[in-house]
Amino acid sequence: KAGVTQTPRYLIKTRGQQVTLSCSPISGHRSVSWYQQTPGQGLQFLFEYFSETQRNKGNFPGRFSGRQFSNSRSEMNVSTLELGDSALYLCASSLGQTFSGNTIYFGEGSWLTVV
Amino acid sequence: QQQVKQSPQSLIVQKGGIPIINCAYENTAFDYFPWYQQFPGKGPALLIAIRPDVSEKKEGRFTISFNKSAKQFSLHIMDSQPGDSATYFCAASGTGANNLFFGTGTRLTVIP
Repeated sequence: KAGVTQTPRYLIKTRGQQVTLSCSPISGHRSVSWYQQTPGQGLQFLFEYFSETQRNKGNFPGRFSGRQFSNSRSEMNVSTLELGDSALYLCASSLGQTFSGNTIYFGEGSWLTVV
Repeated sequence: QQQVKQSPQSLIVQKGGIPIINCAYENTAFDYFPWYQQFPGKGPALLIAIRPDVSEKKEGRFTISFNKSAKQFSLHIMDSQPGDSATYFCAASGTGANNLFFGTGTRLTVIP
């Protein structure tokens, strides 16, 4: 069974640009959640989608957005990039909703560098 | 405000030793406490998880101890091996929490 797949793995963007990251969950999983990982702030929850609806959202500005498609694949978008957005962005999937104690499986992440 | 406090930040043990990583939380609504292991260049992987209705859970060489009254939980790695060298994160969530809060991570090094 294929794991969680994230693309692209590495990317470099310029301040002010926008970026879209993609996540394909494990087959059959309906929940996709996104996380930002930085050396300074650690792992922080961004948002969760379940059945194409955003169910939960962390404490991030509106520049961070996402969506989920009918096949459960998800994208996250960051607009007007800032230097501080440089991070590893992780996607995770689970059968049920993330915060109901369902096991979540992480992808290997997308490394974003903003210059 | 850090919802889950984790210590120590780094830990070095000899092979065969028993590293212990501690976490503490404040929100009594949390009812799910997972531990994740992350190797460099990889995403975190679930190691073991516990709910507050038990005080201890073992899976292989990994044990979680849970103290509900103190709002603390810890990870013990028995007979640690160099292959266990990784960063470990504790986390907490609950159906009412609407978030998965992570600790700041512990970088474990097991010396052969």
